[in-house]
Amino acid sequence: ILNVEQSPQSLHVQEGDSTNFTCSFPSSNFYALHWYRWETAKSPEALFVMTLNGDEKKKGRISATLNTKEGYSYLYIKGSQPEDSATYLCASGGVTGNQFYFGTGTSLTVIP
Amino acid sequence: KAGVTQTPRYLIKTRGQQVTLSCSPISGHRSVSWYQQTPGQGLQFLFEYFSETQRNKGNFPGRFSGRQFSNSRSEMNVSTLELGDSALYLCASSAMAGRSSYEQYFGPGTRLTVT
Repeated sequence: ILNVEQSPQSLHVQEGDSTNFTCSFPSSNFYALHWYRWETAKSPEALFVMTLNGDEKKKGRISATLNTKEGYSYLYIKGSQPEDSATYLCASGGVTGNQFYFGTGTSLTVIP
Repeated sequence: KAGVTQTPRYLIKTRGQQVTLSCSPISGHRSVSWYQQTPGQGLQFLFEYFSETQRNKGNFPGRFSGRQFSNSRSEMNVSTLELGDSALYLCASSAMAGRSSYEQYFGPGTRLTVT
């Protein structure tokens, strides 16, 4: 069982602030790192899939980086908006199929 | 195209009963995975099916089982329900299996309450 950890557990920021969260995972048997956004009463929505050390992905104001050697990924949100309020999950997957180990998530609240 | 659908959305069962949950993946997707989320826990992997075969299984007791049909729809069954089985059960579909680099698409989940 892989131990995927996310920090902080929760975060409250003012609208317009930039913020970042951390996902740490065991670097052995690593193959892919997924980030999801999960809004209340909705399905988790895929944000990024990253596989290579040094990967950087961007979607609008949200970006992510990956360091597979030290086993961490950062998710950045620039200029947070109230609609960014959600729980952000990361999941680490190994080589053998779609078996993922999820962190417990970072709950982000953006205050207008 | 239509997303992942799960039925029912909510379910209340009594201890000792059994329950079957259903998941219809995105059209063309052949991999279906199931997850359990309980309060304070991250999503826990239950199992993954691809082309009607179970490819991976998480660390859950044998009371949890599943299957996949030729149209890729999947069902999950929990027998002899316990109070601790109360959880949100999510399924996710993916176009392919074999590597964990394919994007997964989640359904809305089934909220199971065991009394």
